[in-house]
Amino acid sequence: DAKTTQPNSMESNEEEPVHLPCNHSTISGTDYIHWYRQLPSQGPEYVIHGLTSNVNNRMASLAIAEDRKSSTLILHRATLRDAAVYYCILYGGATNKLIFGTGTLLAVQP
Amino acid sequence: DAGVTQSPTHLIKTRGQQVTLRCSPKSGHDTVSWYQQALGQGPQFIFQYYEEEERQRGNFPDRFSGHQFPNYSSELNVNALLLGDSALYLCASSADTGAKNIQYFGAGTRLSVL
Repeated sequence: DAKTTQPNSMESNEEEPVHLPCNHSTISGTDYIHWYRQLPSQGPEYVIHGLTSNVNNRMASLAIAEDRKSSTLILHRATLRDAAVYYCILYGGATNKLIFGTGTLLAVQP
Repeated sequence: DAGVTQSPTHLIKTRGQQVTLRCSPKSGHDTVSWYQQALGQGPQFIFQYYEEEERQRGNFPDRFSGHQFPNYSSELNVNALLLGDSALYLCASSADTGAKNIQYFGAGTRLSVL
């Protein structure tokens, strides 16, 4: 299973942008890049996904490097409710299972 | 539209006992996956059910078994409980549309084994 590497933790101030990096140098051509987040005492929640092109939705933006070996989740204006563990996951190819790492714990300061 | 629901929310068992956890998928979803999340770790894939069959399995012993019913709901059974089975058990459902499909998670069942 292809692996991802994320920083253990990051801090941000409220209402500032946050850039959460992820390295996935062993990504295969059919792997989608998915991001999920897990708020305290909740199950993981889908955030965004992409294959090759940058993607935007109401929650976040996903910037994918041209060689697809890294990506960045962008929260445009962090709020206190965005404090969570963010998981970068490679999904697809021969498997339908999500392989979670330990993720990035994002702390948002008021 | 109800999302993924799991029951019970909390459970306490003793070593050697057996436990059954239940999951109702999001409306319109036919695929159910189960994950185990130990404290401070990311969720680990246990297995996935589709059309009432186990389609994929993670690195878990045979003590972990499951079932999917015709209405797509699912059960996770764990036999001969060990202390190390204490964890949050998460159910996720999806529509089987391939590699780009989104999984929706329930809030989980917290299992404590004493």
